[in-house]
Amino acid sequence: EADIYQTPRYLVIGTGKKITLECSQTMGHDKMYWYQQDPGMELHLIHYSYGVNSTEKGDLSSESTVSRIRTEHFPLTLESARPSHTSQYLCASSEAGFPPQHFGDGTRLSIL
Amino acid sequence: KNEVEQSPQNLTAQEGEFITINCSYSVGISALHWLQQHPGGGIVSLFMLSSGKKKHGRLIATINIQEKHSSLHITASHPRDSAVYICAVASGAGSYQLTFGKGTKLSVIP
Repeated sequence: EADIYQTPRYLVIGTGKKITLECSQTMGHDKMYWYQQDPGMELHLIHYSYGVNSTEKGDLSSESTVSRIRTEHFPLTLESARPSHTSQYLCASSEAGFPPQHFGDGTRLSIL
Repeated sequence: KNEVEQSPQNLTAQEGEFITINCSYSVGISALHWLQQHPGGGIVSLFMLSSGKKKHGRLIATINIQEKHSSLHITASHPRDSAVYICAVASGAGSYQLTFGKGTKLSVIP
């Protein structure tokens, strides 16, 4: 059973809207990550955090932003959604010294 | 940057067959991860290994560090094993960075 939760699971929304994808974990992990995955393609890291008030950009450039005010919560925000943001977004977490171990069920985002 | 190649891309098997999925990478790693992604999109970690072999139920993962190659085996495959299996590698001790393969889509037919 997943200890990392993402909401919503699916979101279809119009261009220009502000969107926040939620990710929460109950394991007390300091390290959290956001990945973007297009259909049939590999996951790419877009943001990561090593702890509260720590956020960094990943390998894949993204117009999204993240925040880490609480250990358990790592939301991702798109200020003005565009069709190019259509993708699946996966959140993950890990214990110190380990790469990502626990993944959420993902949010499938479609921008019309 | 590490390149991760998986084969085959797609695999269809009859229930009960023994299945092998392969993963090759180009640069030395600290650990290799096998993941399972269900049609709904969620990902489950199956194994993380840096040497030798690990077994969990009907799943076996092996790694050959010298040859930069890993295999995932499924014995007595079942339709519920149908999923995408993803290989990911971590480079550097304690590295947060995972480089992912594109995955192998497995369909097990009753």
